[in-house]
Amino acid sequence: DTEVTQTPKHLVMGMTNKKSLKCEQHMGHRAMYWYKQKAKKPPELMFVYSYEKLSINESVPSRFSPECPNSSLLNLHLHALQPEDSALYLCASSPYTGKGGGYTFGSGTRLTVV
Amino acid sequence: ELKVEQNPLFLSMQEGKNYTIYCNYSTTSDRLYWYRQDPGKSLESLFVLLSNGAVKQEGRLMASLDTKARLSTLHITAAVHDLSATYFCAVINTNAGKSTFGDGTTLTVKP
Repeated sequence: DTEVTQTPKHLVMGMTNKKSLKCEQHMGHRAMYWYKQKAKKPPELMFVYSYEKLSINESVPSRFSPECPNSSLLNLHLHALQPEDSALYLCASSPYTGKGGGYTFGSGTRLTVV
Repeated sequence: ELKVEQNPLFLSMQEGKNYTIYCNYSTTSDRLYWYRQDPGKSLESLFVLLSNGAVKQEGRLMASLDTKARLSTLHITAAVHDLSATYFCAVINTNAGKSTFGDGTTLTVKP
C-alpha cells in the first residue's frame, strides 16, 4: 500500500458545526502532516506529527485541532470555522523528518465553510 | 526565515520546445522536492534531490540541485501538452521539521 487516504473528499460545513477530517497511511511512515492550500497558492504547513510528537505552525488558529491516535492515523478536528478557512486540506506522510524519504500526499479534502 | 522563490510564475510554451524553471532558496537545506499539481488535484511527487550536484530525470523532466548557489532547476525537454500543470519546488528544514513551498510555476503547453 503506497497511498495516503483522506476522507471525506468534499465537505461543506456551517460556521457553528464541528467536523473532522481523516487521514490514513499504511506505509510505516512515522511523520504525518496537515497542509492547507488556497486556490492558486502553494500549500502551507499547519501541523507535523513526527513519531507522534506534535509540531505546530503558530499562525494556525485554535479552531483547527490535530490528533494522532496512532502512527497510521491523523485527524484534523474543525470547530467554529470561518468562510476564509475554505480551502483544500492535504495530508502527507514521510518515513521520518530526518534525511531522505519523500512526501506522499493524499488526494485532499475540499472544504467549504458557509 | 526560509524563503523559496520560483520563476517564472507563468510559462506558456509550444510543444516541442525546451525550457527551464528556476527555484532559489534563502538558507541552507539538505532536501529539495519538486511536485506537480493538476487543477483541483493533489500534489504528485516528481523528484527528491538530496545532495549538491544531484541530477534526476524522468521522461521529459530533469531536475538538478546546486546547494552552493541555493538553486534548483527543472528542465523540460520537447514539451508536450500532457505536461501542462503547476510545478512547485519545496525546501525542507529537517532540524525544524518545516517545509516551505515556492509559489509555483503554471505551465501551459500549446500545440
